[in-house]
Amino acid sequence: DAMVIQNPRYQVTQFGKPVTLSCSQTLNHNVMYWYQQKSSQAPKLLFHYYDKDFNNEADTPDNFQSRRPNTSFCFLDIRSPGLGDAAMYLCATSRAPPRGGYNEQFFGPGTRLTVL
Amino acid sequence: SQKIEQNSEALNIQEGKTATLTCNYTNYSPAYLQWYRQDPGRGPVFLLLIRENEKEKRKERLKVTFDTTLKQSLFHITASQPADSATYLCALGKNNDMRFGAGTRLTVKP
Repeated sequence: DAMVIQNPRYQVTQFGKPVTLSCSQTLNHNVMYWYQQKSSQAPKLLFHYYDKDFNNEADTPDNFQSRRPNTSFCFLDIRSPGLGDAAMYLCATSRAPPRGGYNEQFFGPGTRLTVL
Repeated sequence: SQKIEQNSEALNIQEGKTATLTCNYTNYSPAYLQWYRQDPGRGPVFLLLIRENEKEKRKERLKVTFDTTLKQSLFHITASQPADSATYLCALGKNNDMRFGAGTRLTVKP
């Protein structure tokens, strides 16, 4: 089945220790997204890739970086995690919408990050 | 700034009744509105999309309405079942720019 896979499902890191979360997809979608979701809150878009074009949200901290080496993979790097970065990180994909169209997003199961 | 509000954090209803969830927005003119279901510890799953020029969409027991004058969408689940218990998120967008609400947690009691 075509899907969005996130590894690991649970990640524990220490305050200030860099961590990388990974996402892969078999849907061959050209748009990939990273969201941060804290308990009982809306998923907050951090950035997205439209093919290789990187689009950063204005309020995404510099501490968060992303890489997309090819269509299938995307990584989220947190350079110096703080306690406030503990959250669920969701990866999603979509087909690029036709002009004026829409984009149903397909989500992975998420990676829950704990910062000690 | 753009704001998306879902009517309440939690909604409890009895099995068999119709659940109605509300999504209100301000300072935005979305081209479309989507509803997602999210179970605990999982990613959201797409349910329905409605475009700005559409008033209503149906899919099985689900119905969505979209009133761009009131800036509101209503999401209905008819003949609700305990398996419908989950958090339901609305999302508004234009092209690739889509923003989510915080969701309403629905509990359907047998």
